[in-house]
Amino acid sequence: QVHLVESGGGVVQPGRSLRLSCAASGFAFAGYDMHWVRQAPGRGLEWVAVISIDGSNKYHADPVKGRFTISRDNSKNTLFLQMNSLRSDDTAVYYCARRADYLDYWGQGTLVTVSS
Amino acid sequence: EIVMTQSPATLSVSPGERATLSCRASQSVSSNLAWYQQRPGQAPRLLIYGAFTRATGIPARFSGSGSGTEFTLTISSLQSEDSAIYYCQQYDNWPPWTFGQGTKVEVK
Repeated sequence: QVHLVESGGGVVQPGRSLRLSCAASGFAFAGYDMHWVRQAPGRGLEWVAVISIDGSNKYHADPVKGRFTISRDNSKNTLFLQMNSLRSDDTAVYYCARRADYLDYWGQGTLVTVSS
Repeated sequence: EIVMTQSPATLSVSPGERATLSCRASQSVSSNLAWYQQRPGQAPRLLIYGAFTRATGIPARFSGSGSGTEFTLTISSLQSEDSAIYYCQQYDNWPPWTFGQGTKVEVK
């Protein structure tokens, strides 16, 4: 069955960097676009970034553009989110999710807390 | 950017009763609309895509309708495990992919 497992979250100071990973299994990872979606504490869902099947096309939401970069390693069935210049309003649970359009499978999320 | 607006913010319904959730798009999204359920402490789960197609394993009491700018998610006979926040999401015009702010369903 489809399994997505995020990791790499934690507590980080403002201005620092963090790299999230999402390990995929149970499906042909290289055949699917993949997304990152975040959820601030007590808030709704916010789309963060998407990457095409071969990594040639990437889109990032305006609030993270220029600071976050989505990438993937199809040989390792892994999705990444490099987060630089972190701010307090980046504090959220970060989910990876499958498919280009609607998101049919989600991981359990990893919590990123940006605080001094 | 397409703005998705959900109503009501909170819905309190007795077990066995019908729950009707609304989602409005700021411009037409055709039928490119999905619904998700998020139970407390859990990740979102896909319920409906293409405005009315149930995802794998979703009970028949969940149904979606609408097209263009007006959409509805109906839970025909509410059960206790349906207590959750429900989000709509458009995937017609991107980026960005946009979500509604959510409707919280409480089972009385």
